Amino acid sequence: EIVLTQSPGTLSLSPGERATLSCRASQSVSSSYLAWYQQKPGQAPRLLIYGASSRATGIPDRFSGSASGTDFTLTISRLEPEDFALYYCQQYGRSPPEYTFGQGTKLEIQ
Amino acid sequence: QVQLLESGPGLVKPSGTLSLTCAVSGDSISNNDYWWNWVRQPPGRGLEWIGEIYHSGSTNYNPSLKSRVTISVDKSKNQFSLKVSSVTAADTAVYYCATSSVYRLDYWGQGTLVTVSS
Repeated sequence: EIVLTQSPGTLSLSPGERATLSCRASQSVSSSYLAWYQQKPGQAPRLLIYGASSRATGIPDRFSGSASGTDFTLTISRLEPEDFALYYCQQYGRSPPEYTFGQGTKLEIQ
Repeated sequence: QVQLLESGPGLVKPSGTLSLTCAVSGDSISNNDYWWNWVRQPPGRGLEWIGEIYHSGSTNYNPSLKSRVTISVDKSKNQFSLKVSSVTAADTAVYYCATSSVYRLDYWGQGTLVTVSS
């Protein structure tokens, strides 16, 4: 089973700053199988990034994703007030077929 | 755009069976591009994938839940369902239904809270 470890657990920043969120896989994960979600209190998760670096429909271009080996990064270039939320990474495993999530990073206003 | 709406009892007794339905609108559940998923989130905790079904009836389940979970599809009603048997307090969570395509969960329902308590 592939385990995803997100860091930091909590990230405290101010609007306008750059946010860098990390997701490390315990073994090799195809970039095609890595996605990022945003979740606000009382709401369902929303797909932000798929295939490690492709933005989902309607997602602003300040959100970007990248991959390097087993390390995946979500970057928010200039934080807007509405970006303060929980963020989860997710990978798809083929054998057996299953989705697993990281434990989440809370992005809070400093 | 696909819209999903979960429904079912909000309270289930321990050792009973949790049953939820997800109504699909805006698209057909027979759409070849989608699998239909259930994901849950215990209060204050992270996301856990439960399983998925294709319109043909093919299923994949989380190995840790597989012995207690059944997902089924009703094409005539354009909906799919979840059953979790032998529930305990650990099954208390917000349950979401979601579509998946190409290794990601694209559209989500609003979620429904199910509490396991006597």
